[in-house]
Amino acid sequence: EDQVTQSPEALRLQEGESSSLNCSYTVSGLRGLFWYRQDPGKGPEFLFTLYSAGEEKEKERLKATLTKKESFLHITAPKPEDSATYLCAVAGGTSYGKLTFGQGTILTVHP
Amino acid sequence: EPEVTQTPSHQVTQMGQEVILRCVPISNHLYFYWYRQILGQKVEFLVSFYNNEISEKSEIFDDQFSVERPDGSNFTLKIRSTKLEDSAMYFCASLGRSNTEAFFGQGTRLTVV
Repeated sequence: EDQVTQSPEALRLQEGESSSLNCSYTVSGLRGLFWYRQDPGKGPEFLFTLYSAGEEKEKERLKATLTKKESFLHITAPKPEDSATYLCAVAGGTSYGKLTFGQGTILTVHP
Repeated sequence: EPEVTQTPSHQVTQMGQEVILRCVPISNHLYFYWYRQILGQKVEFLVSFYNNEISEKSEIFDDQFSVERPDGSNFTLKIRSTKLEDSAMYFCASLGRSNTEAFFGQGTRLTVV
């Protein structure tokens, strides 16, 4: 059974204070590891897909990395608008759309 | 930018009643999904749908649930006889043939009273 564990559960940062979110996973036959952002009462918004260990992707202040057991989402110089829940999910087996999600990390960035 | 659209945004229903949640996936997408998120819990996979049939379903998706693509644009989730524990956010997602990332709608908040 695929499993995803995210840490920390919640993270409070000051504006400009860089940090990292962790996603540990076990999956049989990783097809992709996904990062989504979720605002309160909204659906998950796609950020990144990582396919193999060593891969890195960047978007604005966010950078995602992948190893064989975990992924990190690095946030550089965050702004208050980066406050959201960040979800990690894996796709195994035969489908990219059947995702197993972690609990999420609630990020709050104070001005 | 294309998006997945869900209606209604909020549905309140009495226990035992049938509800239908509606989704318009991104046009030209071929794979469709329903997920749910109980308040404070993880997003959970319910069912995947391709080529007019269910391709995979979770243990949550029991006989009370059904899905349909009635007209080539809509994708629906029906709960036959709602229970209090069905209260959750329900998300629809779609995936294109050449994509690897699923795009989610904004969700329907279902409240069973």
